[in-house]
Amino acid sequence: GAGVSQTPSNKVTEKGKYVELRCDPISGHTALYWYRQSLGQGPEFLIYFQGTGAADDSGLPNDRFFAVRPEGSVSTLKIQRTERGDSAVYLCASSTTGRGANVLTFGAGSRLTVL
Amino acid sequence: GESVGLHLPTLSVQEGDNSIINCAYSNSASDYFIWYKQESGKGPQFIIDIRSNMDKRQGQRVTVLLNKTVKHLSLQIAATQPGDSAVYFCAENHRDDKIIFGKGTRLHILP
Repeated sequence: GAGVSQTPSNKVTEKGKYVELRCDPISGHTALYWYRQSLGQGPEFLIYFQGTGAADDSGLPNDRFFAVRPEGSVSTLKIQRTERGDSAVYLCASSTTGRGANVLTFGAGSRLTVL
Repeated sequence: GESVGLHLPTLSVQEGDNSIINCAYSNSASDYFIWYKQESGKGPQFIIDIRSNMDKRQGQRVTVLLNKTVKHLSLQIAATQPGDSAVYFCAENHRDDKIIFGKGTRLHILP
């Protein structure tokens, strides 16, 4: 597609439930990033992929969070046993592999609310 | 630890004046810096970037200055317009392509 697409745009769930957030990057972009953004804060790095592999997952807060990109295109961020503190906007971005000049194109985000 | 931060959380500027948004970074190994603009309900949008081997780069109405000695980055917007109202983030790219964002500055344009 022309841009990065994220679904759902809004997700309301109950504490303890499982959630999946999907990201469709720009076609041909090999790098894909996930960020979490709380109100009034900057995007917080979670994980990024080069192709199918996670190049850096140091930002995932705990083992309830997991992300996959099995075919090197679409990615899914999975959150188990959601907690109220997981409420945030989850942003996805993609880029070409421009080492040292890595301009990210972001999607509009998925707003997650955990009740 | 590694971090990118900003001096001012909110900046109010008269329409038509120039805006200067500042950013401090702490990782001297970072070799590439980017400014993003985020409007309400949208993802961040690229504005301008600069490599660490440069100290200034100009775009259309925007200029980024990099001072590696004091680890400081600034974004200058000329002739600020109402459409410039947004939150601005600086970000740094470590050599491993991990991109870290600062907290952001909200820019208000006064009529």
